[in-house]
Amino acid sequence: RKEVEQDPGPFNVPEGATVAFNCTYSNSASQSFFWYRQDCRKEPKLLMSVYSSGNEDGRFTAQLNRASQYISLLIRDSKLSDSATYLCVAYNYGQNFVFGPGTRLSVLP
Amino acid sequence: GAGVSQSPSNKVTEKGKDVELRCDPISGHTALYWYRQSLGQGLEFLIYFQGNSAPDKSGLPSDRFSAERTGGSVSTLTIQRTQQEDSAVYLCASSATGGEDYGYTFGSGTRLTVV
Repeated sequence: RKEVEQDPGPFNVPEGATVAFNCTYSNSASQSFFWYRQDCRKEPKLLMSVYSSGNEDGRFTAQLNRASQYISLLIRDSKLSDSATYLCVAYNYGQNFVFGPGTRLSVLP
Repeated sequence: GAGVSQSPSNKVTEKGKDVELRCDPISGHTALYWYRQSLGQGLEFLIYFQGNSAPDKSGLPSDRFSAERTGGSVSTLTIQRTQQEDSAVYLCASSATGGEDYGYTFGSGTRLTVV
C-alpha cells in the first residue's frame, strides 16, 4: 500500500463546476500536508498548505481530517486554467516529503 | 538566485555513459531534495540533504546513482553507466528549513534521455 493515495482520475468537468479531490495517508505521524499543482511537462508548484482547521484561498479550499487520515481539495467555479495534475503531499518530521501519484483534472469549455 | 536552477535542461546520452546533473538551490535554503519522474508517473524520492547532516540516500535506486552537495549549496547528481530505464525528468527542490511549514520549491528539472 502506498503511503499517500489519491483518486486516480482523470476528472473531466465543465467550466464553472465544483470538483473535489480526496487523498488518504497511511502514516499517522505525518505532520504537515500540502497540495501541489503540476502542469503538463512542468515542475510541481505549491498550491496551498493544509491546516487542521481547514483553509481557503480564493476558489480553493483544503481540509484535513487527522482522525481519518484524510485530506481534501475543493475547487469551486472551475476555470480552464485549473486543468492540471494535483498532487497530495505528506511530510513526516525529519524525513522527506511523500507525494501521492496525483489526480488529473481537465476543465472543459 | 530567485528560484531553483537546474542544468542542463535537457540531456541525451548513450547507454553506458556517465552523466552529471546540477542543482543550484535558492540562496540560503538549507534543505535540498532530488526526485525523478518518469513519463506519466508520480515523483520518486532519491536523496535529501539538510544542512551539514548526513544525507538521506534511502531513495537512490542503485549504486550507479550518487549525489553530493558542496558547501551546503550546489548539488550534483551523478548517474554512472546510464541505462534506458534511467530516462526521466530529474527534479531538484529546496526549502528554507525542512519544508514542513511552507513546502518547498522545485526547479524546472533536467529531462534525461538515454538512447
